[in-house]
Amino acid sequence: GIQVEQSPPDLILQEGANSTLRCNFSDSVNNLQWFHQNPWGQLINLFYIPSGTKQNGRLSATTVATERYSLLYISSSQTTDSGVYFCAYSLFGNEKLTFGTGTRLTIIP
Amino acid sequence: DAGVTQSPTHLIKTRGQHVTLRCSPISGHKSVSWYQQVLGQGPQFIFQYYEKEERGRGNFPDRFSARQFPNYSSELNVNALLLGDSALYLCASSLGPLGGMNTEAFFGQGTRLTVV
Repeated sequence: GIQVEQSPPDLILQEGANSTLRCNFSDSVNNLQWFHQNPWGQLINLFYIPSGTKQNGRLSATTVATERYSLLYISSSQTTDSGVYFCAYSLFGNEKLTFGTGTRLTIIP
Repeated sequence: DAGVTQSPTHLIKTRGQHVTLRCSPISGHKSVSWYQQVLGQGPQFIFQYYEKEERGRGNFPDRFSARQFPNYSSELNVNALLLGDSALYLCASSLGPLGGMNTEAFFGQGTRLTVV
């Protein structure tokens, strides 16, 4: 199957800092999503972004399908941004979401 | 509109017992899939159902089974529970089967199962 690698695995930042999370794929994928898993386990949809760039408040994401990577940008971090961030993909004819390894983000007040 | 709802939120079972977890998808969504997430790892795919038919099965033993009802809600059943089945079980719903065009998955809050 397609390998999905996220970096960095862990990130500790002061409140107010900016960060970039990366998701690399070993082959082309469809239906790429970014999720934030909060400390209670809830997976929150951030972006559905098979290609291109989207923005939602302090968060934005870019997927370059031809280069096989996606980036999640978080600006002006808040403590509520803490948690684990996952990218996940699905493929035509392979009807499941496959998750990356995750980035654990900790925002310090 | 209500999101994806799962019940129960927490459950404690004894080894060897059976458990049934339930999921109601977002209104209008016809696809439900189940994932298992053990501590420190990402969610792993168990099953997908679309229009009441199984459309995919992950690498899980036959002790795991599921079904989808005419109202598109779903149950996940696990027989002969093992300690290793302790995990967060997540349900996701989507308009169509994952892998197709423009199918975004939305997750419920999960059921945390502890097997003792």
